[in-house]
Amino acid sequence: KAGVTQTPRYLIKTRGQQVTLSCSPISGHRSVSWYQQTPGQGLQFLFEYFSETQRNKGNFPGRFSGRQFSNSRSEMNVSTLELGDSALYLCASSLSGQGAGYTFGSGTRLTVV
Amino acid sequence: GESVGLHLPTLSVQEGDNSIINCAYSNSASDYFIWYKQESGKGPQFIIDIRSNMDKRQGQRVTVLLNKTVKHLSLQIAATQPGDSAVYFCAETGNAGNMLTFGGGTRLMVKP
Repeated sequence: KAGVTQTPRYLIKTRGQQVTLSCSPISGHRSVSWYQQTPGQGLQFLFEYFSETQRNKGNFPGRFSGRQFSNSRSEMNVSTLELGDSALYLCASSLSGQGAGYTFGSGTRLTVV
Repeated sequence: GESVGLHLPTLSVQEGDNSIINCAYSNSASDYFIWYKQESGKGPQFIIDIRSNMDKRQGQRVTVLLNKTVKHLSLQIAATQPGDSAVYFCAETGNAGNMLTFGGGTRLMVKP
């Protein structure tokens, strides 16, 4: 079966711009989570969506937002980009989002210049 | 490939030897723990998991040990192979089961 698909794979943006990243979960998975990975901070939880509802949110500023569609696909948006937003953004999907069965995509590498 | 972490602790082992990667966690309420492997340019890949009501679980060439008393988790890889070279992360679900808290990661390098 197809895995978790993230697009685009690479992205270069300028400070102040906004960006939208996309995640298509494994078929049948209703939970989608987003993580930011940087060399300095490691992997950090951004938010989790289940059936179009955000159930949990990490400690990130309001510039980071997301949404989930009825087909479970998810997008995350970062507005007013800062240099520190440069990171690998990872999406993970699971059936229920409760503890087990997370499958990660390969991520979107965002570079802010 | 992409750099996962510039200053990760590194474990260097000879091919065929056993590897032990350690992880400390802080949340005593965590009830589910997972080890992930991340290769350059890829997302984390599930290796093995363990629930808090167990202290040991074995998979193919891998064993996870959980010591809840000292909040310590370890991953043992038997007969380490060059393909095992990657960054390894432990993760836990804390009070909210729908988010993972990751450890800092350990880079495993296997010398042929």
